[in-house]
Amino acid sequence: DTGVSQNPRHKITKRGQNVTFRCDPISEHNRLYWYRQTLGQGPEFLTYFQNEAQLEKSRLLSDRFSAERPKGSFSTLEIQRTEQGDSAMYLCASSPRELGQKNYGYTFGSGTRLTVV
Amino acid sequence: GDSVVQTEGQVLPSEGDSLIVNCSYETTQYPSLFWYVQYPGEGPQLHLKAMKANDKGRNKGFEAMYRKETTSFHLEKDSVQESDSAVYFCALTFRGTGRRALTFGSGTRLQVQP
Repeated sequence: DTGVSQNPRHKITKRGQNVTFRCDPISEHNRLYWYRQTLGQGPEFLTYFQNEAQLEKSRLLSDRFSAERPKGSFSTLEIQRTEQGDSAMYLCASSPRELGQKNYGYTFGSGTRLTVV
Repeated sequence: GDSVVQTEGQVLPSEGDSLIVNCSYETTQYPSLFWYVQYPGEGPQLHLKAMKANDKGRNKGFEAMYRKETTSFHLEKDSVQESDSAVYFCALTFRGTGRRALTFGSGTRLQVQP
């Protein structure tokens, strides 16, 4: 297993366009998270899935944002009608269901950097 | 809501200096605490952890003690090296069936001078 994979690495789009990002988690991890990171800040939680169920959404996730995880495997994050304020790094992470002392593991991908022009 | 506050901005020690990066947290629950490190162009990666009060996380000469009485988890190292340069984030989450997402501080950029 090569870790959490995110595609594309970079995306430049014009304001008003729709964009979609993909995340492939570690195969045995059933929890998947999306975060957003702006320059000079820590990652901010957007949403998470346990298997295919989306269990929580942050207030940061406006109506223009939608995330899916069909069949509990890969996930997509779509932003509709992008705005300049959406420019950020979008990070995906996965973890096993139980976070014990020995099997602790949130693994982050390298992110998709979105620039809205 | 939950929050994490850490030393802001950038710290510029010289190689061989000691280091303390402050981290304080606020939550109504009993968290597990972490330091993550992030290098340019990469996602954060786990640096060290402490799952309960009085645990001490250790990694590559860094240490952090989970102090419940002062709600702190300061990152310390006796002698920093240039290779330690990176952005460090303090973070918390909760075990069990509750909310599991990480709450991060704003990050501290460590730039060790040669």
